[in-house]
Amino acid sequence: KQEVTQIPAALSVPEGENLVLNCSFTDSAIYNLQWFRQDPGKGLTSLLLIQSSQREQTSGRLNASLDKSSGRSTLYIAASQPGDSATYLCALTGANSKLTFGKGITLSVRP
Amino acid sequence: GAVVSQHPSWVICKSGTSVKIECRSLDFQATTMFWYRQFPKQSLMLMATSNEGSKATYEQGVEKDKFLINHASLTLSTLTVTSAHPEDSSFYICSARQDTNTEAFFGQGTRLTVV
Repeated sequence: KQEVTQIPAALSVPEGENLVLNCSFTDSAIYNLQWFRQDPGKGLTSLLLIQSSQREQTSGRLNASLDKSSGRSTLYIAASQPGDSATYLCALTGANSKLTFGKGITLSVRP
Repeated sequence: GAVVSQHPSWVICKSGTSVKIECRSLDFQATTMFWYRQFPKQSLMLMATSNEGSKATYEQGVEKDKFLINHASLTLSTLTVTSAHPEDSSFYICSARQDTNTEAFFGQGTRLTVV
């Protein structure tokens, strides 16, 4: 059974800092990995999708990497802003097409 | 990215009544839709997976007679909470994807409060 871990559960950084959010998983037999953002009381916004055959994806200030052999993914946020404050979740799609989520990292960027 | 519209965004209903939540993929055909429930400050809990034209597959512990899911077309899935009780109060979110290799998109969520 796939297990997805995101540590730490919460993170507070000053504005402008570059930061890395980590995600680890136990089963490397995946179709893809997605990073999502969730604002309080809202649905999920897809940030980046990395296919199983890919190593990384970039969108603006965000860069996500995938290393299946070590069971890890990272989301890099450059020059963080207060508007980046949210909960970030990683999720993997397995052979059953279901998404398995981590518990998320709640990020607070201080002005 | 693609748009998944979920309606209503919030609903308050009396105990014993039924509530229907709609999930629409606006600009793509969703072969598979998922329904999740989220408790405060917790991650999403998958309730069921629905494929267009077939019966939904429910996760262990989810009552299929209480949470009725219909996926009648490639752009619409509905979740009906039947005979709702206060313990059903929660945040429900749907997700849709075209196929396994494509991005999953989520609706805005529905806050259900049963009084």
